Amino acid sequence: NAGVTQTPKFRVLKTGQSMTLLCAQDMNHEYMYWYRQDPGMGLRLIHYSVGEGTTAKGEVPDGYNVSRLKKQNFLLGLESAAPSQTSVYFCASSTAGVRTEAFFGQGTRLTVV
Amino acid sequence: AQKITQTQPGMFVQEKEAVTLDCTYDTSDQSYGLFWYKQPSSGEMIFLIYQGSYDEQNATEGRYSLNFQKARKSANLVISASQLGDSAMYFCAMRNNAGGTSYGKLTFGQGTILTVHP
Repeated sequence: NAGVTQTPKFRVLKTGQSMTLLCAQDMNHEYMYWYRQDPGMGLRLIHYSVGEGTTAKGEVPDGYNVSRLKKQNFLLGLESAAPSQTSVYFCASSTAGVRTEAFFGQGTRLTVV
Repeated sequence: AQKITQTQPGMFVQEKEAVTLDCTYDTSDQSYGLFWYKQPSSGEMIFLIYQGSYDEQNATEGRYSLNFQKARKSANLVISASQLGDSAMYFCAMRNNAGGTSYGKLTFGQGTILTVHP
């Protein structure tokens, strides 16, 4: 049972380049999320999805786009990477239940130079 | 807006001793859930414990317990009998459930780095 899988695990981009981070979950969860983790700031929500074909903005959505064409996949795109987007990115998923925890992927360390 | 505050950037504890990691929260909602996650140096996020705002008893999971004081809006994590493997970053997080529209979104604190000394 893989849980939540993110690819890639590490990436270095040049300013202005684009890339897509892929998140896949095999738990049939309705909800999926993208967070970024920066030192001293905890994790902040970028975008989220409450079901296939739906997406919504989180706390820090600027510079990112997302898509959820299939229930099990949630893609995070950077159209024109900036050094401020250097961070560790986490994908997570959860059920709609009130008491259930979110399951996280292993993270993607992105450096924009 | 919801906010989680962890005021201890770093904590040190001797092996086998107990340690308390502080977490205070701010919300105007009556229905919410509080979570603690552990992030070891390898980077993954590991769920530890959950407390619902209407739960009458403090949550416990093995060596982890949550000291929930609703009136003070605090949800401190207590780790008993610390082990070297407990050295990690610990995050407190909150999910608001008001009206069923939170969609499971979590608000995180800044984290506390715990170091367990032998």
